[in-house]
Amino acid sequence: AQSVTQLGSHVSVSEGALVLLRCNYSSSVPPYLFWYVQYPNQGLQLLLKYTSAATLVKGINGFEAEFKKSETSFHLTKPSAHMSDAAEYFCAVSEGSGNTPLVFGKGTRLSVIA
Amino acid sequence: DTGVSQNPRHKITKRGQNVTFRCDPISEHNRLYWYRQTLGQGPEFLTYFQNEAQLEKSRLLSDRFSAERPKGSFSTLEIQRTEQGDSAMYLCASSIAGETTQYFGPGTRLTVL
Repeated sequence: AQSVTQLGSHVSVSEGALVLLRCNYSSSVPPYLFWYVQYPNQGLQLLLKYTSAATLVKGINGFEAEFKKSETSFHLTKPSAHMSDAAEYFCAVSEGSGNTPLVFGKGTRLSVIA
Repeated sequence: DTGVSQNPRHKITKRGQNVTFRCDPISEHNRLYWYRQTLGQGPEFLTYFQNEAQLEKSRLLSDRFSAERPKGSFSTLEIQRTEQGDSAMYLCASSIAGETTQYFGPGTRLTVL
């Protein structure tokens, strides 16, 4: 069965510092991987996705993630944090064709300190 | 493209009452998903449709829960005899079959007193 583990329920960084949010997955078949962001009282917005093409995926708002099969990881990074990046971030996996129900991690809350 | 909409945005009900939520997907999206998100957790899959056919139901979907998509457009999720444990955010998402991106609505927050 597929699963996602997000290390760290809360990450705090200073404005301008590197953002690194960790995600490890378990899947019996080549996975499709996603990062979503959720602002308070809002739905989820797709940041980026890996669909078996390039292993380094660039998304919106300056975020990127690298798929590492050997480490079963899909960590999310951003070189320089902005105050507006403060939100909840969810990693998700989908098997098969990729358009099946998503399995989400528990999320990581990112705080950005001025 | 107006996005996925959900109504109501908030619902407060007393234990034992029935509630119904509505989701309007992006037009021409033939897949529609329901997820539930409790405090401090990621969304958990409940059920999904392709057009009007319900393709899969999670074990989380007890007999008190029922979902429909009668004409392959909007969908409703009904919870009968609500319990305090049903308090959560109910999220709807839509997609085009064969494409990987699911687009989420703002959610309906249910509070059961």
